[in-house]
Amino acid sequence: EIVMTQSPATLSVSPGERVTLSCRASQSVSDNLAWYQQKPGQAPRLLIYAASAGATGVPARFSGSGFGTEFTLTINSLQSEDFAIYYCQQYDNWPPITFGQGTRLEIK
Amino acid sequence: EVQLVESGGGLGQPGGSLRLSCAASGFNFNLYWMTWVRQAPGKGLEWVATIKEDGSEEYYVDSVKGRFTISRDNAKNSLSLQMTNLRDEDTAMYFCARNQLFFASWGQGTPVAVSS
Repeated sequence: EIVMTQSPATLSVSPGERVTLSCRASQSVSDNLAWYQQKPGQAPRLLIYAASAGATGVPARFSGSGFGTEFTLTINSLQSEDFAIYYCQQYDNWPPITFGQGTRLEIK
Repeated sequence: EVQLVESGGGLGQPGGSLRLSCAASGFNFNLYWMTWVRQAPGKGLEWVATIKEDGSEEYYVDSVKGRFTISRDNAKNSLSLQMTNLRDEDTAMYFCARNQLFFASWGQGTPVAVSS
């Protein structure tokens, strides 16, 4: 099973700032990685797939990068609606599909 | 518009059973793999099970193998998860999602609580 590790667990940032979230895979997943945003009481929302492809309707301030075992999600100019929990997920070697434990983005 | 609506959640007893359903609309259901993902209270996301378009292949996370069964009725655009021998650790919100690799469409979830 591929273990996905996200860091940090919590990130405190101010609106307008640029933030980078990290995700590491225990073995290479090529570019078979997705990022999701989840707000309280809501289902997750797909942001990025194939490590860097933006999902439909996702604002351009969200971008993904990485390959193999190291990935990042960058959010430029944080908006108030971006404060949420972010999960990475690998789909290279499944079953099982595995998610990271999440990074909580909170307002400083 | 893709819509996925889960139902069937509720309170289940340890060792008991529950059957979850997911009604799909807005897309050709029989052309897509479908997946269940769960989230325990205050915890992260966990993939549970996936079924192929025609139902010929099923995959499960180890912790539910032999206890849960994913199935689908393409004539009714419906996905199901039969949960048996429930455990405390099955307590979670259960989401159905379209596809088998990454998930652009999700339902709002149905809650399952296992308690005596």
